[in-house]
Amino acid sequence: DVVMTQSPLSLPVTLGQPASISCSSSQSLVYSDGNTYLNWFQQRPGQSPRRLIYQVSNRDSGVPDRFSGSGSGTEFTLKITKVEAEDVAVYYCMQATHWPPTFGQGTRLEIK
Amino acid sequence: EVQLVESGGGLAQPGRSLRLSCTTSGFNFDDKAMSWFRQAPGNRPEWVAFIRSKTFGGTAEYAASVKGRFTISRDDSKSVAYLQMDSLKTEDTGMYYCTPPPWFDPWGQGTLVIVSS
Repeated sequence: DVVMTQSPLSLPVTLGQPASISCSSSQSLVYSDGNTYLNWFQQRPGQSPRRLIYQVSNRDSGVPDRFSGSGSGTEFTLKITKVEAEDVAVYYCMQATHWPPTFGQGTRLEIK
Repeated sequence: EVQLVESGGGLAQPGRSLRLSCTTSGFNFDDKAMSWFRQAPGNRPEWVAFIRSKTFGGTAEYAASVKGRFTISRDDSKSVAYLQMDSLKTEDTGMYYCTPPPWFDPWGQGTLVIVSS
């Protein structure tokens, strides 16, 4: 299985400041169709995972534009330009290029 | 609006069985594959099982940890996917979610399974 590794695992951030989460995969996530199936999920306390970003950099409907995704191959990043209180959550990267789909360990974002 | 509602979770003793349901609406269920994931407390989500649409044979795949014990199935007439969980182990404890591949969006609210004596 593809191993997804995130850093940091804990991310204390001051309100209004930027945040960045890294995710690396044990093999390239470029699929045979040329697309890269790397998603980012947000899981708020007590809630189910919510997809924020698909195919590396595409924001889902309703996701604020302060969230952005980038990267290629095996290295990916989720950035939040200005953290708000509602962003407190665990963030997961998830690859869907290779079966089975696998998640990173999660990064817990908290307000400093 | 696409909706998925999981149900059927609860407390079960090791070795017993539970059947989970994933009731869907808002999309053509019979055209879609369906997956089950689970998430143990404090852990990342883990893929459990997957079933193809009838168009692609309706066949299933399982994680090694549940193969031979869990069975995924579907009733296209009801737009429902099921997860039959037999020979439950304590390590099967967690929240169980359904979500349609390949986009894995959206997820239901989950149903909690606790396996304990």
